[in-house]
Amino acid sequence: AAGVIQSPRHLIKEKRETATLKCYPIPRHDTVYWYQQGPGQDPQFLISFYEKMQSDKGSIPDRFSAQQFSDYHSELNMSSLELGDSALYFCASSPRGAGGLQETQYFGPGTRLLVL
Amino acid sequence: GESVGLHLPTLSVQEGDNSIINCAYSNSASDYFIWYKQESGKGPQFIIDIRSNMDKRQGQRVTVLLNKTVKHLSLQIAATQPGDSAVYFCAENLSYNTDKLIFGTGTRLQVFP
Repeated sequence: AAGVIQSPRHLIKEKRETATLKCYPIPRHDTVYWYQQGPGQDPQFLISFYEKMQSDKGSIPDRFSAQQFSDYHSELNMSSLELGDSALYFCASSPRGAGGLQETQYFGPGTRLLVL
Repeated sequence: GESVGLHLPTLSVQEGDNSIINCAYSNSASDYFIWYKQESGKGPQFIIDIRSNMDKRQGQRVTVLLNKTVKHLSLQIAATQPGDSAVYFCAENLSYNTDKLIFGTGTRLQVFP
């Protein structure tokens, strides 16, 4: 079965540089979610999108922005990178639940970002 | 509040034994719960989920139990196999108010032959 695709899988950047992470959801999934996972930590919710509109927002720094496109893929843009941004970034996708009911979020393989 | 897994508890079991992984969730209003398995360097993999109107759900070799009274969730794995070795996370969601999954502290499961 098709899974969530993320690119790139690995990324090395210098401090103060910018990075763009891409996410391609499972076919027919219209909702995407972004999570950040630091070393030895649990994933932390950043932001989500449904039908190209921001659906929910978590602990996403102001230096980060994201969007969802008409083909449902999403991009996470990260600017003025800091050492502390080094982490695994996961995208997840799901269909939108009826009546606001949460559907299972299926995670991609992640992008490992290292900021030097 | 949210939990951050700074210290990862570990469960060691022998191959073929049953495993029970426990999780205390944080919000009494949460009504959707998921167990994920995460292998090193990979994304969380869905195992099983349960909604708050149920107290037990079974899958293939796995069972999730939900005790809303004490805000406790458990994952039972029958006949544990070496391939089950991974970090297991429970996650909760408030469903109607937010997309956000709140992950609990992971538990590392080690399976010995």
